[in-house]
Parts: sequence; C-alpha cells; structure tokens
Amino acid sequence: QSVLTQPPSASGTPGQRVTISCSGSSSNIGSNTVNWYQQLPGTAPKLLIYSHNQRPSGVPDRFSGSQSGTSASLAISGLQSEDEADYYCGAWDDSLNGPVFGGGTKLTVL
Amino acid sequence: QVQLVESGGGLVKPGGSLRLSCAASGFTLSEYYMSWIRQAPGKGLEWISYISSASTTIHYADSVRGRFTVSRDNTKNSLYLQMNILRAEDTAVYYCARDLYGTFDSWGQGTLVTVSS
Repeated sequence: QSVLTQPPSASGTPGQRVTISCSGSSSNIGSNTVNWYQQLPGTAPKLLIYSHNQRPSGVPDRFSGSQSGTSASLAISGLQSEDEADYYCGAWDDSLNGPVFGGGTKLTVL
Repeated sequence: QVQLVESGGGLVKPGGSLRLSCAASGFTLSEYYMSWIRQAPGKGLEWISYISSASTTIHYADSVRGRFTVSRDNTKNSLYLQMNILRAEDTAVYYCARDLYGTFDSWGQGTLVTVSS
C-alpha cells in the first residue's frame, strides 16, 4: 500500500491531453513539493517534473505539473507513442522523515 | 555526464547476505546525499535508505531498518548497501540515486536481487 495514491492506469490517443492524479496528505503533498518520474519499459526511472512544475533539461514542455492542497497532477499534452510508460509521483513525508512514492500509473497510448 | 552504476546483485537464500555497490562518476559524490530505492517485480518504487554527503545522517525505511546498512566512500566515488537477514520480500531491482532532499535527479540502471531457496 503506497503512501501516495495514483490511478493504476490511464490512456489516450496521439495528440490528446491526459492527466494523472496523485493524492496524499498534509504530511507529504500538503507541505512539500511533488516530483514526477517516468519509467519507460525495461529502464530505470527518470526525473520528469520537480519543485511543482520544473522540468530537467531535455524534458519537453508537453509535460507539466500542478499541485493544490494535498493533491497533485501531471499533464501530458500532445500525447505521443513514446510517452507510453509508468509514471510515479513522489514527495517528502514529514511524518515518516523520508521520501514516499505513489503506486504508479501505467499510461497507454491507444 | 552523471553516471551511476550498481553491482553486486544476484541470487541469495533466505537469511543470507549481499552487498551492493554503486559507482558514481561525472559529478562530485561528496557534495550529494544519496539514496537506495528498490522495485519489486511488477511493483512500484520503494525508497529504503538515504545517507548524507559526509555520512553524518542516515535514515532507513521501517521495512529494512536493523537489517540493511548504507555506507559510502567518497574517496572511491562509491555508495554501498549491506543487506543482511534477507527475506523473499526483499526480491527487487535495487537502484542508487542522487538525492536532492527527496528529489532523485539521477538513477543507476539497477541491480536485481533475488531471495529464494
């Protein structure tokens, strides 16, 4: 059972905009910034979004993050086939004194 | 560029031990916290330990506390994870990651640990 809650799956067609939600509590998302990671099949996770809505170098601006209260979301616009991957949210948890993750959302591009 | 390479995984019997290593290059290891994160087959990510740049602060997840020990040797650009009293539920791919206060900006490719009799 993950501390952060994500839907197990999401889907969209090429060009579409999709969002993935991440729900937490006051000790994690409610008081710390949310990060998003992308894990392509058979590879290690990669940082996608950090500090609310910052993208590391090389991440397309089709990816964006938002955060409000104890929830966050990742939006992917102009969906492409290469976006098919697992997406994880993560945040620091003040009560656990450590990072926590969501269970992951498998994105399928139809 | 930043590179992290894990090694030391393999098959071990329940109750056994294993030591993982993570070789860092492309950045100054001594300036960063580092973490170990694992992923059981077909499952999500689980953070298990972090260690501060000078090894003065170390923290473990409840699931491994008392069995796993993290350490580092900045002079060798290396991070380690000593795993003792291994259980079947420790079976996972283990990643080392550069840790910016809970933001993991670089990951290794992972090393698979299988605990089975």
